[in-house]
Amino acid sequence: DAGVTQSPTHLIKTRGQQVTLRCSPKSGHDTVSWYQQALGQGPQFIFQYYEEEERQRGNFPDRFSGHQFPNYSSELNVNALLLGDSALYLCASSLGGPKTYEQYFGPGTRLTVT
Amino acid sequence: AQKVTQAQTEISVVEKEDVTLDCVYETRDTTYYLFWYKQPPSGELVFLIRRNSFDEQNEISGRYSWNFQKSTSSFNFTITASQVVDSAVYFCALSEEETSGSRLTFGEGTQLTVNP
Repeated sequence: DAGVTQSPTHLIKTRGQQVTLRCSPKSGHDTVSWYQQALGQGPQFIFQYYEEEERQRGNFPDRFSGHQFPNYSSELNVNALLLGDSALYLCASSLGGPKTYEQYFGPGTRLTVT
Repeated sequence: AQKVTQAQTEISVVEKEDVTLDCVYETRDTTYYLFWYKQPPSGELVFLIRRNSFDEQNEISGRYSWNFQKSTSSFNFTITASQVVDSAVYFCALSEEETSGSRLTFGEGTQLTVNP
C-alpha cells in the first residue's frame, strides 16, 4: 500500500523564479492538503484540494497556487519566489474532503531559495 | 481563533525515564479534534493519535499515553520508559469542525532528545 509520495525531495531556486512541487496521495485517498514548515516551526496550512477544486485556503498570498488532477494527485506552484519561501513543503492526503480528520503526510520537499 | 501552544521547546531525558509533553489549545468550536504527530529527522509527520472533543477518556497505546482535559484545554502526551528511538520533534494539532474543517493548526513543536 503506497503512502503519500512527493517530488522532488530537494530543490534549490533563485529569488524571482517559479517552482512546482508534486504530490501523489495515499492509495484510495481523494483529498490533498499542503503545508509549509519553516525551520524550527510547526507546519502552516496553505490550502486543500478536493474534487479538483480548492476547498480551503490558509493565510498565504496568491503567489501560492495549486491544482488537483483527476487521479487525485496535486501540484503546488509558487511564483516570484522570495527568500522567506525557503521551507519544507508537506503534502497530506485524506479521504472525503474538508470534513475528514485523519491526514497522512508525505516526506516533504525541501525548498531552498537563494 | 484557534491556537495550539506547546510551551516546552526542548526536552532532554535519559533512556528509560518517563517524559510528558504539554499541549494547550484554544478554540471557540464545541466540536473539534486534537492530534499528536511525531516528526523524526527524515521530516515526515507520523500520525500518533486523534481525539474528538466529546471523548475525554484517556488513552494508552504501548508506552504512549494521552491525557485530555477539557477543563484546562490540555491534551498532554506521556512516553513511559523512553527510548533513543523516541527522539524526534512532537507536534500537537487542532481541527475545528465548524470553523476550519479538516485543516490542522499546529503548535510550535517540542524537540525531545533521549540520551542513552
